[in-house]
Amino acid sequence: DSGVTQTPKHLITATGQRVTLRCSPRSGDLSVYWYQQSLDQGLQFLIQYYNGEERAKGNILERFSAQQFPDLHSELNLSSLELGDSALYFCASSERGHGSFSSGNTIYFGEGSWLTVV
Amino acid sequence: DAKTTQPNSMESNEEEPVHLPCNHSTISGTDYIHWYRQLPSQGPEYVIHGLTSNVNNRMASLAIAEDRKSSTLILHRATLRDAAVYYCILRNRDDKIIFGKGTRLHILP
Repeated sequence: DSGVTQTPKHLITATGQRVTLRCSPRSGDLSVYWYQQSLDQGLQFLIQYYNGEERAKGNILERFSAQQFPDLHSELNLSSLELGDSALYFCASSERGHGSFSSGNTIYFGEGSWLTVV
Repeated sequence: DAKTTQPNSMESNEEEPVHLPCNHSTISGTDYIHWYRQLPSQGPEYVIHGLTSNVNNRMASLAIAEDRKSSTLILHRATLRDAAVYYCILRNRDDKIIFGKGTRLHILP
């Protein structure tokens, strides 16, 4: 158990719909990362938050958005869903998360949220 | 972003050592080398990391070349449970963590 909790574990929805994926980081971790992994694809970095603020952005579509709340949990919102959005979405967290001390910090991944768009 | 190059796949026999290579010729002086692995249907898990010196932990060893342009993850005695995709990544100052395609390790019983 990594200590990172993601909900829901599985989700099936129709095209055009909107879903929200939730992530609770490990206790004390300030940084949250979101990744997308499609079938047989690598991990695509989407976005990172640190202590409530957006820190880094990857290949996140405009239809997707995220935020990190004061209690440090994060949500990834996916809207106008398409079949190609079907994937496993991972959340990860790490200590500190910025500055010169962050590069050596371990990141811990949740078990992921399986999204199927039909 | 600094990039890494790994073989797509490797095979090893059970209970034998496995050496997983990673090239990172554009590594900067402040990049840490991290290794993660992803078991089927699970999230990636941390294996080991280092900066300049070789590192050992209960899971594996990390050998870093003197010029830091390459590194090798060593599993001393592979088991079937070590079959996974192994990712070598570099962590830089802006903390954007980019995963490549990794090496799919097959363990033969």
